[in-house]
Amino acid sequence: QVQLVESGGGVVQPGRSLRLSCAASGFTFSISGMHWVRQAPGRGLEWVALISNDGRNKYYADSVKGRFTISRDNSKNTLSLQLNSLRPDDTAFYYCARKKYSGWIDSWGQGTLVIVSS
Amino acid sequence: QLVVSQSPSASASLGASVRLTCTLSSGHTTNAIAWHQQRPEKGPRYLMKINSDGSHSKGDGIPDRFSASSSGAERYLTISSLQSDDEADYYCQTWDNNIHVFGGGTKLAVL
Repeated sequence: QVQLVESGGGVVQPGRSLRLSCAASGFTFSISGMHWVRQAPGRGLEWVALISNDGRNKYYADSVKGRFTISRDNSKNTLSLQLNSLRPDDTAFYYCARKKYSGWIDSWGQGTLVIVSS
Repeated sequence: QLVVSQSPSASASLGASVRLTCTLSSGHTTNAIAWHQQRPEKGPRYLMKINSDGSHSKGDGIPDRFSASSSGAERYLTISSLQSDDEADYYCQTWDNNIHVFGGGTKLAVL
């Protein structure tokens, strides 16, 4: 059974950094691409980033390009998202999700909340 | 530009059927999409993926009441025999060259 558990959320001041993690289990992590998706309070889902199974290829939404970095450690079955230069509009629940074959998401974590506020 | 559009809201009575629509932007009308459900105060849940030819694959444990179809640029999610816990937000997701987008979601009310 696929399990994705995010951690690392919290309250952070504008301009500061935060690192989110996602612990994966129940599937062969090293063969799956992985996504980060976020959801601001009361808003819809927004795709953030995608990383290939081997970590070589990374793709970002324009809204986070240059500020966020997705990475993974296949030896530890862990996905990460480094959030730099945080802004109040980055406040959201951040979900990690598994990529299926050509692209769609087929499993979600429960999310971790990031609040950017002074 | 890759965009998927959804009506903001829909409603149907308990026990009835409802069809939700996801519309793909011009130039992307043959894209596959995935449907996701998000119940109030919960994380999203994958329902199914549907191709332009209407073929689809469901997530584990998704009831037969949920089905999908396709016509041109539109992808549909049909929920039959509506239950109270079908009241949720429904999002479609598509992708192109590893860039992904979500529709704005449809809030379904079960009356």
